[in-house]
Amino acid sequence: DAKTTQPPSMDCAEGRAANLPCNHSTISGNEYVYWYRQIHSQGPQYIIHGLKNNETNEMASLIITEDRKSSTLILPHATLRDTAVYYCIVRVDPSLRAGNMLTFGGGTRLMVKP
Amino acid sequence: EPEVTQTPSHQVTQMGQEVILRCVPISNHLYFYWYRQILGQKVEFLVSFYNNEISEKSEIFDDQFSVERPDGSNFTLKIRSTKLEDSAMYFCASSEDRDPYEQYFGPGTRLTVT
Repeated sequence: DAKTTQPPSMDCAEGRAANLPCNHSTISGNEYVYWYRQIHSQGPQYIIHGLKNNETNEMASLIITEDRKSSTLILPHATLRDTAVYYCIVRVDPSLRAGNMLTFGGGTRLMVKP
Repeated sequence: EPEVTQTPSHQVTQMGQEVILRCVPISNHLYFYWYRQILGQKVEFLVSFYNNEISEKSEIFDDQFSVERPDGSNFTLKIRSTKLEDSAMYFCASSEDRDPYEQYFGPGTRLTVT
């Protein structure tokens, strides 16, 4: 799986959009980008995933660049409850059944401030 | 909304004792996982389980560890003879067949080995 690089920490003002970047320059054509977050001491929480098109759900939007070498997770109106560590994980096409483990790196610690 | 549950929330045990951590995955999910997180460190994959057998395991998951699905709803992790270094949060997760990487995590069991 492609290696990912994320900034170790970011701040965001409450009510503003939080834009969390992830670099995955060695991503291959059949690899998906997954985002998870971990609020302090809780289990990781799935947020969203995508292959090449932008994706949106009730939690967030995922923007993947045209060359797929980077992506941005957008929380449109961050709240204090969004303070967490956010993980960007690249995994091969799930239909290939190439193993199911998730590898969590250091992630980005997002602090939403009032 | 269905969720993964784990019991107990906190387990204290003495070194050398056996412990069993319990999980109830989401009912229509077919893949089950255990991860652990030592305090202040990354979330680490231990094992995945599908179709009543281990499908993948990490090097952490040695002979001291075992998993079982004793009935149609529970999924357990047994540590045969606990060591001090087994102290960690243990997270259970489950996922559907359509996308094994979209995993839903429980709240965790904090294991303290004294």
